Amino acid sequence: KAGVTQTPRYLIKTRGQQVTLSCSPISGHRSVSWYQQTPGQGLQFLFEYFSETQRNKGNFPGRFSGRQFSNSRSEMNVSTLELGDSALYLCASSLGSGSGMETQYFGPGTRLLVL
Amino acid sequence: EDKVVQSPLSLVVHEGDTVTLNCSYEVTNFRSLLWYKQEKKAPTFLFMLTSSGIEKKSGRLSSILDKKELFSILNITATQTGDSAVYLCAVEGGSNAGNNRKLIWGLGTSLAVNP
Repeated sequence: KAGVTQTPRYLIKTRGQQVTLSCSPISGHRSVSWYQQTPGQGLQFLFEYFSETQRNKGNFPGRFSGRQFSNSRSEMNVSTLELGDSALYLCASSLGSGSGMETQYFGPGTRLLVL
Repeated sequence: EDKVVQSPLSLVVHEGDTVTLNCSYEVTNFRSLLWYKQEKKAPTFLFMLTSSGIEKKSGRLSSILDKKELFSILNITATQTGDSAVYLCAVEGGSNAGNNRKLIWGLGTSLAVNP
C-alpha cells in the first residue's frame, strides 16, 4: 500500500499570504489528522477529519482551517500568514473506526517558511 | 490540564550503550500510549501500549506501560548510530463520543548515539 503523501514538500510564503496544503491518506483510511511541529513546541494537534467532517479540533486560531473530500483526501488552509506559522506541517491517517486507538501513520510533511 | 512529559530532553551516548527513555502522563480517560521515532522528517510508529506490565518488543527496542504510576519507558539496548533520532511519546485520552477524543504529545527525547 502506498503511504501517506503530502504536497507540496516545501513552501516559501510571505506574511499576509495564504497557503493550502494537501494530504492523501493511506487507501482505506478515513481519518486524517493535521499537526504543526516547531522546535520549541513539539507536535501540536490542529484538527482531525473523518468522513468529511471535523471530528476534533486543537487550540489554533481560525486562520487555520481544513476540509476533507469524499475520497478522504484532506486539505489544510492557513490564511493571513504570520512569521510564527513557519513550521513542519504533518498529516497522519488512520482507519478512523472510532472503536479504539488506531495507529496513526504520518506523511513526510510540508515544510513552510514564512518570510 | 492533560499533559505528557518526556525525560530526558536530550541524551548523548556511545554505541553499544543501553538507554532508557521516560514518558509520564496525566491524561483524562487514558486509552493508549504510543511511541514514535522521528529522524529527519515524519515520525514512524514504534509501539502502542494499552495494558500495564506487558512488554512490547521489536529487536533491540522494548517498551512497557505502568498505568498505576502513569508512565512508560522505552528501552534501547546495544545502541547504534542509526538509533539517533527524536523519540516521541503520545497518549490518547478522552471519550470516544463527540469531539472529546484527543492525542497529546510530549516534546520528545533527542537521542544522539556517537560511534
